[in-house]
Amino acid sequence: KAGVTQTPRYLIKTRGQQVTLSCSPISGHRSVSWYQQTPGQGLQFLFEYFSETQRNKGNFPGRFSGRQFSNSRSEMNVSTLELGDSALYLCASSVVTFGGPGGYTFGSGTRLTVV
Amino acid sequence: DAKTTQPPSMDCAEGRAANLPCNHSTISGNEYVYWYRQIHSQGPQYIIHGLKNNETNEMASLIITEDRKSSTLILPHATLRDTAVYYCIVRLDDKIIFGKGTRLHILP
Repeated sequence: KAGVTQTPRYLIKTRGQQVTLSCSPISGHRSVSWYQQTPGQGLQFLFEYFSETQRNKGNFPGRFSGRQFSNSRSEMNVSTLELGDSALYLCASSVVTFGGPGGYTFGSGTRLTVV
Repeated sequence: DAKTTQPPSMDCAEGRAANLPCNHSTISGNEYVYWYRQIHSQGPQYIIHGLKNNETNEMASLIITEDRKSSTLILPHATLRDTAVYYCIVRLDDKIIFGKGTRLHILP
């Protein structure tokens, strides 16, 4: 079966711009979580959506937002980009929240570079 | 902060068993222990999870101590392709929080 698909794979943006990243979960998975990964901070939890509702949120500023559609696809948006937002953004899907017994399946990520 | 503690790095000879320890002394009774690994530039990959019994699948074995305060992931016959960062995770306040993990080096 198809895995978790994230688009685009690479992105270069300028400070002050906004960006939207997309994640298509595995068919049948209703939970989508987003993580930011940087060399200094490692994997940091952004938020989790389940059935179009945000279930949990990490400690990120309001510039980071997300949403989930009725087909479980999810988008995350970062407004007013800062250099420090340069990172690998990972999406993970699961059947139920918190990964559940089967754990998360991660996508390959979107590498965002802010210049 | 993550609820787990892992050594930052470990070495293992190719073909030998790799035993990766994890401390999770504050784990509560109904929390699962999950293990993931991340090979360079890829998304983390689920390996195994357990509650209180030892578990085994095609990738690895998970040994959880009786008091559930620590666990060990065992890769029975490590290969060069097992070189990765291994994360031990328990849930924290309804979030899956990744710690720094253990960077496993497989030596030829």
